[in-house]
Amino acid sequence: GNSVTQMEGPVTLSEEAFLTINCTYTATGYPSLFWYVQYPGEGLQLLLKATKADDKGSNKGFEATYRKETTSFHLEKGSVQVSDSAVYFCALIESSTLGRLYFGRGTQLTVWP
Amino acid sequence: GAVVSQHPSWVICKSGTSVKIECRSLDFQATTMFWYRQFPKQSLMLMATSNEGSKATYEQGVEKDKFLINHASLTLSTLTVTSAHPEDSSFYICSFRLAGYNEQFFGPGTRLTVL
Repeated sequence: GNSVTQMEGPVTLSEEAFLTINCTYTATGYPSLFWYVQYPGEGLQLLLKATKADDKGSNKGFEATYRKETTSFHLEKGSVQVSDSAVYFCALIESSTLGRLYFGRGTQLTVWP
Repeated sequence: GAVVSQHPSWVICKSGTSVKIECRSLDFQATTMFWYRQFPKQSLMLMATSNEGSKATYEQGVEKDKFLINHASLTLSTLTVTSAHPEDSSFYICSFRLAGYNEQFFGPGTRLTVL
């Protein structure tokens, strides 16, 4: 079946620290992979995505590389800001499941000034 | 990116009343939509999937008579929580998927509080 596992939070960092949030997946086919961000009291916003192996998604200084050999899609940012404080969700869509998203449990990130 | 709106953004109601939440795609026509609920500090739980003009497919454990979904057009879907109770209090989020695209576009969510 399809599933996503991401590292448990909360993650607390100082401003300008390096961020890694691990994400691994299980899929029966060839999924597209996503990172979504949810700010307090809001819905989900797409942060970045990758649709095939070795693709790198990037946005707002965040990056993640689709690693088929390790079934991973780890989120990284070289220097976090207070405004990055949010919950981050890793997710996959497999083409055979008609667009259904499978979410990880979410990782709360708090960045202190 | 595609824009999805939800109305209302928050609602407080008395136990036993029904609440309707609207989800609209503002700049595209979507064939498939999804409704999720999210409890505090938890991930999104898929409630149902529907295609325009068809009945919704509900996930196991979700009562279809309690959570009525109407996907009336390519730009509008509604979720009605019937005879709401305090345990229905949650954050409800809709999303649309464009035909041929492997991506969902999310609404901003509706916070329902049942007293």
